[in-house]
Amino acid sequence: DGGITQSPKYLFRKEGQNVTLSCEQNLNHDAMYWYRQDPGQGLRLIYYSQIVNDFQKGDIAEGYSVSREKKESFPLTVTSAQKNPTAFYLCATTWGPSNSGNTIYFGEGSWLTVV
Amino acid sequence: DAKTTQPPSMDCAEGRAANLPCNHSTISGNEYVYWYRQIHSQGPQYIIHGLKNNETNEMASLIITEDRKSSTLILPHATLRDTAVYYCIVRDSGLGFQKLVFGTGTRLLVSP
Repeated sequence: DGGITQSPKYLFRKEGQNVTLSCEQNLNHDAMYWYRQDPGQGLRLIYYSQIVNDFQKGDIAEGYSVSREKKESFPLTVTSAQKNPTAFYLCATTWGPSNSGNTIYFGEGSWLTVV
Repeated sequence: DAKTTQPPSMDCAEGRAANLPCNHSTISGNEYVYWYRQIHSQGPQYIIHGLKNNETNEMASLIITEDRKSSTLILPHATLRDTAVYYCIVRDSGLGFQKLVFGTGTRLLVSP
């Protein structure tokens, strides 16, 4: 089936550790996004990428890093510099320019908890 | 950046129509309006999108004002399973990238 796969679904991080959340898509979409969602809150943009080997900071990029070495993959690393990483993380993809009206697809999300 | 504004919460009786408003006064001519909903701790689900004309699909209808500064999502016969947070999204291309800017979302509670 085509779609977006996020893994792991649940992840626990110890203080001072870096962790990486995986986002893989087989939709052949150009653009990929990472969002953070805190309980009861909306989605906030962390990073986004329109093309391989290129990405841009979103509104809350501090303490996070990404790479886009392949079109299909956009992993998010939560570094030890992120002081409050406990949240729900969502990956999304789309293709084409913003005026083409194409649908945005979301993964099922990953829960990260600091222990 | 194109921004959206939604009421934080709304109530609706089961079987009645739910009308969810969204303001997007800074939308540009080629930007689409999207609606998604999110049930607790799941990925957002696509509902509908439109540019300037009203749109309808099996889930909902989207009414966009003539000046495109606001829109309304209509769930014609709300069920208990429609209880969710509904997001109105405008595709933002101000920087040449497809930055997706989310509104605050409306928490819809459908009651028996």
